[in-house]
Amino acid sequence: GESVGLHLPTLSVQEGDNSIINCAYSNSASDYFIWYKQESGKGPQFIIDIRSNMDKRQGQRVTVLLNKTVKHLSLQIAATQPGDSAVYFCAETGRSGYSTLTFGKGTMLLVSP
Amino acid sequence: NAGVMQNPRHLVRRRGQEARLRCSPMKGHSHVYWYRQLPEEGLKFMVYLQKENIIDESGMPKERFSAEFPKEGPSILRIQQVVRGDSAAYFCASSLTGTGVSDTQYFGPGTRLTVL
Repeated sequence: GESVGLHLPTLSVQEGDNSIINCAYSNSASDYFIWYKQESGKGPQFIIDIRSNMDKRQGQRVTVLLNKTVKHLSLQIAATQPGDSAVYFCAETGRSGYSTLTFGKGTMLLVSP
Repeated sequence: NAGVMQNPRHLVRRRGQEARLRCSPMKGHSHVYWYRQLPEEGLKFMVYLQKENIIDESGMPKERFSAEFPKEGPSILRIQQVVRGDSAAYFCASSLTGTGVSDTQYFGPGTRLTVL
């Protein structure tokens, strides 16, 4: 039958595992990329960003990788914790000269204890 | 060190009524952005404002929607004659400089609009 509505891609992991969330972007002119975490009922929370002149950036337990050749972005979360459970969005900007964001569709991360 | 504030958090309106959503940016930020989020979708850009100016409204529906960011007070997103399709979460973000690369946007908690 016909599906109603969209379903987010979901990544289910065990506590302590490493998680990798992927994102493809379409515009090769985008020059700044951000990962946001959104918990249920809350606004997006900034996690980490990367400029197009870099291919890797590390934060606390998180790493963002950028592959401009294939227009792919990934977020790696080390030692995933139940509190990491949320929807993760990549966003891009820079095409317009100011920072309005274009968001991807999001991936739901579920962490089991 | 208050973040971006939005009110109300939840708003219920009947079809044909007006909805007013308010956003106070982070202290020191003069750039405000409004986004709309439908269930299980990413946020979609609506409008970008600086104090007393609309910079980019390319994501705003042509009718019934308007936004302002006065010299004093919060930014307001106004939806006139609401319809059920307007039901969504509306998020406001603010940033420091508004100029492209590395100008991080910080988001408020959103207003969830339900149209009956």
